Amino acid sequence: DTEVTQTPKHLVMGMTNKKSLKCEQHMGHRAMYWYKQKAKKPPELMFVYSYEKLSINESVPSRFSPECPNSSLLNLHLHALQPEDSALYLCASSPSPLAQETQYFGPGTRLLVL
Amino acid sequence: GENVEQHPSTLSVQEGDSAVIKCTYSDSASNYFPWYKQELGKGPQLIIDIRSNVGEKKDQRIAVTLNKTAKHFSLHITETQPEDSAVYFCAAWSQGNLIFGKGTKLSVKP
Repeated sequence: DTEVTQTPKHLVMGMTNKKSLKCEQHMGHRAMYWYKQKAKKPPELMFVYSYEKLSINESVPSRFSPECPNSSLLNLHLHALQPEDSALYLCASSPSPLAQETQYFGPGTRLLVL
Repeated sequence: GENVEQHPSTLSVQEGDSAVIKCTYSDSASNYFPWYKQELGKGPQLIIDIRSNVGEKKDQRIAVTLNKTAKHFSLHITETQPEDSAVYFCAAWSQGNLIFGKGTKLSVKP
């Protein structure tokens, strides 16, 4: 089973709202990732968690706040977003941090900020 | 840092023809090169990958070739079908992360 699940599939939020995106994997992977993807562009790395600790933050604005409650779960908390933050948010996981291995992607959450 | 260039950006073929997408990379330490297929409204799905100790890998109609000396790798799809229509991304592993090419939109016309 190489499945990464993400909820919700779609999210519409106002600029003053607080919402959270959720990601789950049960493959025993110890690295988890958040990516942002704009239309017709490749995925853009936001955060990397290695063994449940934040290891990479690609200079993402503080209105995005990641959290890794356990080795299977990854959350992305959203607050005071801007319309330009509208995008597809992808979660991925891989077996070992820093190893040259496959990343498995979830289906994404389509976010629209009004 | 690593730079991955992907060509062409769009590719249109007739059903049954072959399609080839090419990528080049810059980091000589990169040893892992996956290819992802992304259909509309979905996340990228791994379709094939190759490591630098192998020159070619095949999986049914899909093959990937790697020339480590020249730092380029290619995706070959034979006997294309309409369901192969999607955006394809190449990637190279560098400094702990995957670096993606800009993508190729493949259209297979029935």
